[in-house]
Amino acid sequence: EPEVTQTPSHQVTQMGQEVILRCVPISNHLYFYWYRQILGQKVEFLVSFYNNEISEKSEIFDDQFSVERPDGSNFTLKIRSTKLEDSAMYFCASNTLGTGELFFGEGSRLTVL
Amino acid sequence: SQQGEEDPQALSIQEGENATMNCSYKTSINNLQWYRQNSGRGLVHLILIRSNEREKHSGRLRVTLDTSKKSSSLLITASRAADTASYFCATDSTNYGGSQGNLIFGKGTKLSVKP
Repeated sequence: EPEVTQTPSHQVTQMGQEVILRCVPISNHLYFYWYRQILGQKVEFLVSFYNNEISEKSEIFDDQFSVERPDGSNFTLKIRSTKLEDSAMYFCASNTLGTGELFFGEGSRLTVL
Repeated sequence: SQQGEEDPQALSIQEGENATMNCSYKTSINNLQWYRQNSGRGLVHLILIRSNEREKHSGRLRVTLDTSKKSSSLLITASRAADTASYFCATDSTNYGGSQGNLIFGKGTKLSVKP
């Protein structure tokens, strides 16, 4: 069964360092998303991406964040200068229609020290 | 205000019992979805109910939606130890000012099913 894959599963970084989280969405999906979940808290929307551009972004998705689809398969989330409060699980998701069921990856746990 | 609030926050039952989780939300929705998350894992979609539907079944899952009360419930019948997980409701308000694909999740109900 097709699935969304994310790498790395866990990354530890120092405050101020750049981090890139990678995702391979399901191949025939057209809409891509990043969500995050701080430990013990809600899953929060960060950004949606369609047709090679950002469709929507939340207040969390500030200038320190960027997304890119560098080729036909990868979808990346970059955090330029990490802060302690960026520590969270980051989930990539995709779907075909932009609404309805989301297919999530297993997540990348980011720990900022 | 927070969209998608589940209760109870935690629920502990014996195998074979039914588990009921509730979700309340505040804005108009296109659909409401329920997801499951095993500890430290990704979210798995369970079921979607559209705003014009009142009840939906999938295997041992039964979801109801009351748009007048802005609430939904998820019933898991004949629970198993493997059902132990956190369960989240998520609302899609794409046609009501919400952004496309921006699901609003609740805080979740942590279900523990004891063998």
